[in-house]
Amino acid sequence: EVQLVESGGGLVQPGGSLRLSCAASGFTFSSYEMNWVRQAPGKGLEWVSYISSSGSTIYYADSVKGRFTISRDNAKNSLYLQMNSLRAEDTAVYYCARERGGLNYFDYWGQGTLVTVSS
Amino acid sequence: QSVLTQPPSVSGAPGQRVTISCTGSSSNIGAGYDVHWYQQLPGTAPKLLIYGNSNRPSGVPDRFSGSKSGTSASLAITGLQAEDEADYYCQSYDSSHVFGTGTKVTVL
Repeated sequence: EVQLVESGGGLVQPGGSLRLSCAASGFTFSSYEMNWVRQAPGKGLEWVSYISSSGSTIYYADSVKGRFTISRDNAKNSLYLQMNSLRAEDTAVYYCARERGGLNYFDYWGQGTLVTVSS
Repeated sequence: QSVLTQPPSVSGAPGQRVTISCTGSSSNIGAGYDVHWYQQLPGTAPKLLIYGNSNRPSGVPDRFSGSKSGTSASLAITGLQAEDEADYYCQSYDSSHVFGTGTKVTVL
């Protein structure tokens, strides 16, 4: 059974940093592209970042470019999102999502982890 | 803001058919990129409902169907049931992944 479990969310002050993790199981993690998608309270879904299966190709939404860093450790079946210079508007539930290779859709999602940026 | 526009809400009585539109442009849906749909039940993570415009993953009831034409796509729910009450999002590609604005389906 495919499982994606996020962790690392919490309350952080504006300007602070946080590192999210996503533990994957039930599939060959190193064969899949992965993404982070977020959802602000009461709002819609927003794509945040993409990383290829090998980690060699990375993309970011303009809203987080230069502040967030996506990475993965295929040996540990884990995906990460390092978030720096956090702003109030980064407050959201962050989901990791597996991408179906080359088809541009997300076939499995984690349960999400809440990040709250507030003083 | 999102480049894919959906109606904020649709509603229907049990057993009825409802449709949700997803309007894009020539740089996303109209450029040939597929449209995918997700269902988000209250308090839960999104779940893939339709992929590749009209394909259902295993386990998704055939009450759900998708179509695409030109710069738009649609999700239809026939035989509406109480458990279909949720938020629905379309998703495509436009130099990056893009989501629709989301539609809340209410079962009357």
